[in-house]
Amino acid sequence: DAGVIQSPRHEVTEMGQEVTLRCKPISGHDYLFWYRQTMMRGLELLIYFNNNVPIDDSGMPEDRFSAKMPNASFSTLKIQPSEPRDSAVYFCASSLAGGQVEQYFGPGTRLTVT
Amino acid sequence: DAKTTQPTSMDCAEGRAANLPCNHSTISGNEYVYWYRQIHSQGPQYIIHGLKNNETNEMASLIITEDRKSSTLILPHATLRDTAVYYCIVRVGNQAGTALIFGKGTTLSVSS
Repeated sequence: DAGVIQSPRHEVTEMGQEVTLRCKPISGHDYLFWYRQTMMRGLELLIYFNNNVPIDDSGMPEDRFSAKMPNASFSTLKIQPSEPRDSAVYFCASSLAGGQVEQYFGPGTRLTVT
Repeated sequence: DAKTTQPTSMDCAEGRAANLPCNHSTISGNEYVYWYRQIHSQGPQYIIHGLKNNETNEMASLIITEDRKSSTLILPHATLRDTAVYYCIVRVGNQAGTALIFGKGTTLSVSS
């Protein structure tokens, strides 16, 4: 298995522009998570899906952030408009149903907003 | 989820055992101890988890004290590639799909 795939790996954009991050979870996994990592706040959950349905989006910082999962093999995280404080590494992770099993993380997307 | 406490950093010589401690004094009976690590510029990677018995896999061993208030992750023969931030996480085992709450972790530096 190729693991969790994220694209792009690096994104540099100007303030005010729309940014779309993409994630392909491991085939057969029921859960998909979006995390963000910054030096100040560490790793924090933004939102997660179960069977393509958003379950908890309490970590989404504000309305500028939105996430979708149109099917079991694809999810997007969109920021519109982007701001410099959104600069971070965004990780996608997936897992099978059941709380004991591990989450598999993708390589992350490093976003820089200038 | 219960809070965990880990040392900020540790050093280890290559080939020696690395013992990473974690305190979780408020852990509940149905909460598991998980360990993840994050190598620089990569996503976190699962290492091992346990409830109350000691666990071992190809990567590491997990020793949990009898009162479950602390645990130790053991890398038996550390290599330079084990240099990473190690996170100890406590969460309810049967909460399907719950997020992992990462603290600051322990930065392990393995040197030759």
